[in-house]
Formats: sequence, C-alpha cells, structure tokens
Amino acid sequence: DTAVSQTPKYLVTQMGNDKSIKCEQNLGHDTMYWYKQDSKKFLKIMFSYNNKELIINETVPNRFSPKSPDKAHLNLHINSLELGDSAVYFCASSQDSGWYSGYTFGSGTRLTVV
Amino acid sequence: AQKITQTQPGMFVQEKEAVTLDCTYDTSDQSYGLFWYKQPSSGEMIFLIYQGSYDEQNATEGRYSLNFQKARKSANLVISASQLGDSAMYFCAMREGSYGGSQGNLIFGKGTKLSVKP
Repeated sequence: DTAVSQTPKYLVTQMGNDKSIKCEQNLGHDTMYWYKQDSKKFLKIMFSYNNKELIINETVPNRFSPKSPDKAHLNLHINSLELGDSAVYFCASSQDSGWYSGYTFGSGTRLTVV
Repeated sequence: AQKITQTQPGMFVQEKEAVTLDCTYDTSDQSYGLFWYKQPSSGEMIFLIYQGSYDEQNATEGRYSLNFQKARKSANLVISASQLGDSAMYFCAMREGSYGGSQGNLIFGKGTKLSVKP
C-alpha cells in the first residue's frame, strides 16, 4: 500500500489551461507539503499545510492553490498554466511540524506545459 | 545565504569502494534535524538517514553513515561498499527548530550526482 500517492504521474497540457494534481497519504500524518523540482533538480517548498494552518512560500504565484478536503489529502490546483511551470511536483507528508520529523515523498508528477 | 551547501555537483566512485558526499549547513537554531535523500533516475525521493542536532553518536543505516561534525556544521554522507544501484542524485536537507512561516520546513541542498563505475 503506497504511503504517499500522487496522480497523475505525467501531465502534458497547453499554456493557459487549468490543471490539478492529487495527493493522498495513508500514514496518518498531520502535515502535508508541495515541493517543486526544477530542471536543475533543485527542490523548493511551495506550501505546507496541517489541519490548522496553511503556510505559503511567498515566491509562489497565486495561480497555484492547495486544497485540502481532509487531513489525508492535499491537492494542487494550477490556473492559467505557463511554460515556466514545467517541472516535477512532489507531494510529501510528515508526522508533525517538529524538526525531528522527516518527510515521506510521493513519486512525483512531471508537468509539461506546451 | 544558502542554508544547505553541497559543493560536489557530480562524483564518480568505483564499485565496492567507499565514497563521501559533502554537506555543510547554516543555522542559528540549537534544535535541527539533518536528512539525506536519494533520488534515482526513476525520480522518487528515498529517505536514507537522519541525524538530530542533539545526537552524540553519528547515525548509521546499513551501508550509510552520517559523519556529523557539529562545530564545523557539516553532515557528510558516507556510503560504504558502493554498488551500481547507488548511482543517483543525493540530497542533503535540514529542518530547523523554529517553525512558523517558512522555517521548520525541509530545506534542500542542490544535490550531488553520484555515478558508480563497474
């Protein structure tokens, strides 16, 4: 049983479209995250979310929005897609927000905007 | 300023030899965690090893060990007896103790690409 699952694994779409990436974790973790990995493999936090608080990295355009229907899910919605949004997006979860708590990552979604 | 620095963009190692991947970090917190992840060409992020700032002993997990030198703020990953399957990107990461805002999230270095030669 996959701990953190993301769908779809690959997503090819045209500029200007709106798309969503789904993420679910079955670990009972309190906190979930979205990371973006660019073409140089650099991983950057986009959002962190627990059932109390959404924290947004200020560099993330407001075209990106996380939606959490419940504690086990954190979906990523992207409006008006741009070429520069092409990247691999990782969902992750951790037991809590403590510094000792590692992350479990999903397998990633490769987004290509054409 | 970079919080996590990995100075080796790429490294080669002969199969069965040991290799050290460098990582230095920057924090003013007393409480923090250091993590290493492996990303093979298939793309998933695999957790390897963890070291807490208060841990007195270096962490070990099978063939992986973390050479933790707190005063020098370094957390190098040592892989013993390299195998062909160790060829991958390796990321050093840190979580700081002050959370709220962007602090407390896992922050990554730029990674080191390790290639194991037969």
